[in-house]
Amino acid sequence: GQNIDQPTEMTATEGAIVQINCTYQTSGFNGLFWYQQHAGEAPTFLSYNVLDGLEEKGRFSSFLSRSKGYSYLLLKELQMKDSASYLCASLDSNYQLIWGAGTKLIIKP
Amino acid sequence: IAGITQAPTSQILAAGRRMTLRCTQDMRHNAMYWYRQDLGLGLRLIHYSNTAGTTGKGEVPDGYSVSRANTDDFPLTLASAVPSQTSVYFCASSESGMNEQFFGPGTRLTVL
Repeated sequence: GQNIDQPTEMTATEGAIVQINCTYQTSGFNGLFWYQQHAGEAPTFLSYNVLDGLEEKGRFSSFLSRSKGYSYLLLKELQMKDSASYLCASLDSNYQLIWGAGTKLIIKP
Repeated sequence: IAGITQAPTSQILAAGRRMTLRCTQDMRHNAMYWYRQDLGLGLRLIHYSNTAGTTGKGEVPDGYSVSRANTDDFPLTLASAVPSQTSVYFCASSESGMNEQFFGPGTRLTVL
């Protein structure tokens, strides 16, 4: 079966660093996406990894290990506006996204 | 229009009624998708369209139908609504199946 696992909720402090992990098992693999979703809003694209390694984009970085079926999203210099859910999604062999349930990130002052 | 729009924003519907959720994009994207999002679950694909004139079934298609008469519009129809279809519905589009998806603002549907 197809499965995406990520923690339900995480708490971090403003200014700190947090790593959100995601493991995936899908029928085929064509890349791993991360999206951000603020409460009551639509998901917005953060990053896409298809090759192993770290992709850095400002305060956000995303890592992929295809052999381990593992990815993480790293958020640095946390700001209150980073309080949101972070969704991990794997693109399967049919080019359909299989989504995790999301990780709710709570930022405390 | 800039991006992708959905209508209505929210709706309360009696069980057994027919309802069409509208979705329009102006980005000339080939692919469009309908998802439902329920608390504690990931986004689940209902139907998709890789290009105008074609549609396909996703993970949870039962009770829903779609059409793709042109590039811009991708309506989702509930033929006879049931309470289990209470959810937030998101429409999304992308240049192709390999590209990032852009989401509409969502429709919050309650079926009583």
